[in-house]
Parts: sequence; C-alpha cells; structure tokens
Amino acid sequence: AQTVTQSQPEMSVQEAETVTLSCTYDTSESDYYLFWYKQPPSRQMILVIRQEAYKQQNATENRFSVNFQKAAKSFSLKISDSQLGDAAMYFCAYRSLTQGGSEKLVFGKGTKLTVNP
Amino acid sequence: DGGITQSPKYLFRKEGQNVTLSCEQNLNHDAMYWYRQDPGQGLRLIYYSQIVNDFQKGDIAEGYSVSREKKESFPLTVTSAQKNPTAFYLCASSIRGMGQFFGPGTRLTVL
Repeated sequence: AQTVTQSQPEMSVQEAETVTLSCTYDTSESDYYLFWYKQPPSRQMILVIRQEAYKQQNATENRFSVNFQKAAKSFSLKISDSQLGDAAMYFCAYRSLTQGGSEKLVFGKGTKLTVNP
Repeated sequence: DGGITQSPKYLFRKEGQNVTLSCEQNLNHDAMYWYRQDPGQGLRLIYYSQIVNDFQKGDIAEGYSVSREKKESFPLTVTSAQKNPTAFYLCASSIRGMGQFFGPGTRLTVL
C-alpha cells in the first residue's frame, strides 16, 4: 500500500517570503498523480496543484510550484511571495493510476503553515 | 453555481442514535467519497462510489453505511456501531484525472 509522509507538522514564514513544504511517498508504481491541497481555518479543502508522474516538468500555479523528484519519491510545494491568506493546513496526496477508474487518494497528515505579518 | 454541498454544517447526536449526513453535487461527477478527519490526522477514507448503485468500503468503514441511488447524492449514515463518531466529515467528488473536489464539511459531535 502506498504511504505519504509530511515530516513537518508545522512551518512558519514571513509575509512576502518563500517557504517550501516537504512531502515524500512510498510506491512501487511508475504512473500516478500527486496533489497538494490547502485547508484554511474554514476547513474547506482546496486543490492547489497537481502533478502527473510521467511529466518531468514541475507543475506551477501562480505563486505555487512543486519540486517533483521521482527517483527520490519527493514532492515538495514552494509558496512564493507568501500572503496572510496562505495560512492553512497543507496536505500532500497520492493517487494510483492502477486502480482503474477510482480516484482514491492517500493523504499525508498535513503541515500547518503560519504566515507572520 | 456548480459545487458540492454538505448539510448540516454542525450536527449533534446522542449516544445510540443513527444520524445521516447529506452530500449533494451538481458537477456531474461520477465518483463520490466520504472522509473522516480527526485532529492531528490526515483524511481517512470511509466509503467511495464510482457509479450509481455501487460503492466500496474505504479504510475505516466499520460503523458507517452509504447509499448511491442518484448520481448527485451520496448520503452517509453514522450508526450506533461507530464507537467514536465525533469528527469532521468531508464529502468529495471527482472526474477522471482532475483530483477530488470537496464540500465544506460537517462537524459531528456526540453528546
């Protein structure tokens, strides 16, 4: 079974600075998707970014980008120009491509990001 | 507006009672999911459904039941057999390859 590990329970960053959240995963598969979700205090889960394992190019969405290292099974999230609204729990998630049509996700335990003004 | 709605936002239950959490989506997604979130833990999958009239157990299905009679709806019943039901419950739906989209959640408290 696949596992997702987020080794940083909490992180903090100064407003306008850059922060990187770590995620590693364990899998024997070669094709899969990886995701980062944001959960602000409202507790609504918001999809931030997704990465297909077969793509070497790292995904980017505005101020959010990933560093995908397939051989190392690492999928870190970089937030540039941090804003107060970025304060949230961030979850890394893995989706196998061998499970047919199911979009089942395996989640890490999350990293709580604090943004200091 | 397209999206996923969950109701109620807060729910209180007495011990020994069954309660049903509602999840509705108008995104035309085939698959729907129920997760439980406890403090300090990630999301754990309770049940999921890939198509109407079909559903599968997730990692923590004991004490829960679901139905999928309509594509838009995937209600979750928390039965009296669930020993520790106080938690935050999230419903999600998905379309192939795009990841899951979540509702706003229901906070269930057992009194």
